[in-house]
Amino acid sequence: AQSVSQHNHHVILSEAASLELGCNYSYGGTVNLFWYVQYPGQHLQLLLKYFSGDPLVKGIKGFEAEFIKSKFSFNLRKPSVQWSDTAEYFCAVTGGGGSYIPTFGRGTSLIVHP
Amino acid sequence: DTGVSQNPRHKITKRGQNVTFRCDPISEHNRLYWYRQTLGQGPEFLTYFQNEAQLEKSRLLSDRFSAERPKGSFSTLEIQRTEQGDSAMYLCASSLGTRNQPQHFGDGTRLSIL
Repeated sequence: AQSVSQHNHHVILSEAASLELGCNYSYGGTVNLFWYVQYPGQHLQLLLKYFSGDPLVKGIKGFEAEFIKSKFSFNLRKPSVQWSDTAEYFCAVTGGGGSYIPTFGRGTSLIVHP
Repeated sequence: DTGVSQNPRHKITKRGQNVTFRCDPISEHNRLYWYRQTLGQGPEFLTYFQNEAQLEKSRLLSDRFSAERPKGSFSTLEIQRTEQGDSAMYLCASSLGTRNQPQHFGDGTRLSIL
């Protein structure tokens, strides 16, 4: 079965700091990768996704993520965070055993101080 | 895009009672998913429908849980004889039926068992 690890459970940054959130998955075959964000009081929404092609994918609000197959990783980055980026971030992966049901990581809580 | 709608937003009930939640997906989406999310965890898959057919169920879905999607539109999730451990946020998501389309989530129903 697929598993997803998000190593940073809580991250606190000041505005303008750079962000990198880790995501590692277990399945070594073909995978599809997603980052979802949940702003306070709102529903989960898609930030970015990787299916194939360029391993560096760009999402909304200046976020990007890099798929490194050899490291089973899909880390999320943003060069300069804003207070409005305060949210929960979830990595999700589909693939493995022919299942296209996503497996989610436990999430990373990001707090950005103004 | 009117989004995925879930009702009720909150449900408080006594242990042993039955509860039913409703999900209205985005109208053109033929896939509908149910997840459970507890504090500090990511969404855990419960079940999913393609149109009216329930195609996959997680082992988390005990025999006290049942889900339906009559006519392939809205869906209901019923929990019978609720237990303390059922307290969680129940999320619904929908997507297009083509492979690996990202899911659109509702705001969830928070269930509290007294």
